[in-house]
Amino acid sequence: EVQLVESGGGLVQPGRSLKLSCAASGFTFSNYYMAWVRQAPKKGLEWVATISTSGSRTYYPDSVKGRFTISRDNAKSSLYLQMNSLKSEDTATYYCARGLGYRYNSLAYWGQGTLVTVSS
Amino acid sequence: DIQMTQSPPVLSASVGDRVTLSCKASQNINKNLDWYQQKHGEAPKLLIYYTNNLQTGIPSRFSGSGSGTDYTLTISSLQPEDVATYYCYQYNSGPYTFGAGTKLELK
Repeated sequence: EVQLVESGGGLVQPGRSLKLSCAASGFTFSNYYMAWVRQAPKKGLEWVATISTSGSRTYYPDSVKGRFTISRDNAKSSLYLQMNSLKSEDTATYYCARGLGYRYNSLAYWGQGTLVTVSS
Repeated sequence: DIQMTQSPPVLSASVGDRVTLSCKASQNINKNLDWYQQKHGEAPKLLIYYTNNLQTGIPSRFSGSGSGTDYTLTISSLQPEDVATYYCYQYNSGPYTFGAGTKLELK
């Protein structure tokens, strides 16, 4: 059974940093693209980052480019999101998601999310 | 950026109804579109990928169609467990973008 378990969320002050983790199990982690998607309270979904199987290619929207870094450790079956210079508008539940396979941008499995609150 | 416009924002329908949700892209997305279902308090779930492919385990009453800029999710016979918000998602070109969602309610 595919499982994705996010951790690392919490309350952080504006301008500070936070690192999210996603522990994967039930599949060969190194074979799949991975992504982060966030959802602000009572709002819609927003794509945050995608990383290729090897980690050599990463993709971001302008809203987080230069502040957030997605990475992975295939030996540990883990995905990460380093978030720097956090802003109040980054407050959201952050979901880790796995690509479908050959349709690697389709998000076939999702974790339950971890809440990040940016506030002084 | 490609804008995804979903309509209607809220849809009320009865059990057994045929329901159609629409998603319009601001430019051609070459069928690179998925549909996701999000029930209250839960993570999103992939229903349809690449416009018309049913994800494993999803009931056959769900189907997708479309091309170019116009895409549709159809539920052939609405069930109570289908109450949720539905999002379309384009990954034809970055930044990848979701629509604002259609909230499906029971009448």
